[in-house]
Parts: sequence; structure tokens; C-alpha cells
Amino acid sequence: DAGVTQSPTHLIKTRGQQVTLRCSPKSGHDTVSWYQQALGQGPQFIFQYYEEEERQRGNFPDRFSGHQFPNYSSELNVNALLLGDSALYLCASSRGRVEQFFGPGTRLTVL
Amino acid sequence: GQQVMQIPQYQHVQEGEDFTTYCNSSTTLSNIQWYKQRPGGHPVFLIQLVKSGEVKKQKRLTFQFGEAKKNSSLHITATQTTDVGTYFCAGPYNTDKLIFGTGTRLQVFP
Repeated sequence: DAGVTQSPTHLIKTRGQQVTLRCSPKSGHDTVSWYQQALGQGPQFIFQYYEEEERQRGNFPDRFSGHQFPNYSSELNVNALLLGDSALYLCASSRGRVEQFFGPGTRLTVL
Repeated sequence: GQQVMQIPQYQHVQEGEDFTTYCNSSTTLSNIQWYKQRPGGHPVFLIQLVKSGEVKKQKRLTFQFGEAKKNSSLHITATQTTDVGTYFCAGPYNTDKLIFGTGTRLQVFP
């Protein structure tokens, strides 16, 4: 079992650009949540996907959008990147509403 | 909005000393989860507490959920260098929105 995988591991973009991050959940998991973790802070909930629909959303602008595919994998899209979007983006999968298994994250740097 | 605060923010201990981090939520929680994040790593689930006043142990780690289900604590007995990392509590809001605490960074000196 590969666990939760994320790609890419690192990404450098410039302000105004768009980015897509990808996540494959742990085998058997049907729920994917995305988090943003700024340096020295705790993960901040962006949104959660279940059955290909956004089930819950945190306090993030519409520039942040996502998608879940029939195989439960997920994408996080961020449009019109700002310098403040630089962070570690974590994907977590779960089956039901219990413990979440986190992926290694994607480190996004916006210049 | 929902807030989950942890104290202390940092803790430096000598190996063998005990360590405790405290977690406080602005609202009552259905459950509390604890995660550990090693430097450069990702959060790893440690445990979930559900019942009021619940106490669970994992070897040297003791977790407690407050009677009012608004606070929790993690106590590590006789710390080891492998305990280094940041410990986060997290509580679900609106069922599915997991809110993480501010975290406590533990440094253990040999």
C-alpha cells in the first residue's frame, strides 16, 4: 500500500499564474481533504471531497477550487497566485470521518 | 470563528524529562484528534478521543479529553530524542471541517 501520494513535491510559480496539485488517496479511502500549511503554523482546512462533491469548505477564496475523480483521486487548483499562497499543501485521505492519513505535501513557492 | 489554541508554543526539555501540551477549543467538540509532525515531515495521526473525561495511553504518551469536551492534553513521560516534533490537536467543526490547533513544538536535548 503506497499510502497517500502527492505530486509534484515542489513547485515554483510567479504571481498571477495558476497551479494544479494532485493527490492519490490511500487504498480503500473515499474522502480527500486539502490543507494549507504556512511555515511554523498548523494546517488550515481548505476543503473536503466525498463522492466527487465538495462536502465542506474552509475560509479560502474562490481562487481555490478542487475536484475529485471517480477513482477518489483529487486535484487542487489555485488561480491568480499571490505571494501569500506560498506554503506546504497537504492532502489527507480517510474512510469516513475518523483519522486522516496525510501525504508528504507539495511545497509551493510563489515569486 | 472556531479556534483551537495550544500552549506552550515551544518547549525545550532535557532527555528524560516529562512534557505536556494543552489544547483548548472555543466550542464543544464531538471528538479530539492528536497528530505529530516531525521537522520537514507531514502530520501523522496519533489518537482520537471521543468520550468526556476519556484517558488513553500509548506507551509513554497519555492523552486526556476534558469533561466539557472543550480541552485536551498530551503528556509524554521521560522524553526521548525521537519525540522531537510539533504536536497538534485537531477538532471537527460542522462534522467534516477539521480545525488544527496552533501546535506545540517539542525539542529534546540529549
